[in-house]
Amino acid sequence: GQSLEQPSEVTAVEGAIVQINCTYQTSGFYGLSWYQQHDGGAPTFLSYNALDGLEETGRFSSFLSRSDSYGYLLLQELQMKDSASYFCAVLTGANNLFFGTGTRLTVIP
Amino acid sequence: DAGVIQSPRHEVTEMGQEVTLRCKPISGHNSLFWYRQTMMRGLELLIYFNNNVPIDDSGMPEDRFSAKMPNASFSTLKIQPSEPRDSAVYFCASGTDGEQYFGPGTRLTVT
Repeated sequence: GQSLEQPSEVTAVEGAIVQINCTYQTSGFYGLSWYQQHDGGAPTFLSYNALDGLEETGRFSSFLSRSDSYGYLLLQELQMKDSASYFCAVLTGANNLFFGTGTRLTVIP
Repeated sequence: DAGVIQSPRHEVTEMGQEVTLRCKPISGHNSLFWYRQTMMRGLELLIYFNNNVPIDDSGMPEDRFSAKMPNASFSTLKIQPSEPRDSAVYFCASGTDGEQYFGPGTRLTVT
């Protein structure tokens, strides 16, 4: 079977840094993606890691360790608008994304 | 680019009726995906097309669901007959592999 584990909820203070972890166990692995979804909205692509290491895009960074079947999304300088659900997703085959259940991030003043 | 376009945005129908959801992918994207999102099951891939050809429909729940992509700029997802358990948000996305761009979704309610 396939499984992705990420925390269901995280709360952090505006201006702080938060890390959302994701561990996976899948039959195939090509890479790890992260998506953001605001309530009532659509998932929005944030990042995709195919290789080990850290990739930075503005305030957001994503990390992957294939040997540990682990990745994380790092959000810096948190803003209120970052309150949303964040999904990790494993690319298990060509064009085949398997999504986790999401982490609901609440940013408080 | 306008992004992925879906219609209708909301659909309320009675059990047994046929429902057709529509999607226009981002121009130039060769792959198109249909997803369903519910609280219970999360975000599930139903089917995806590559160059208008259905590649993997293993996520389609049952024969009541069908999808077509007659050309590179248009796809439909049809449910016939619809059932209350089909109530969900249906997303269309286009892109490649781990980088996919989602439309605004169609919120379907079957009563």
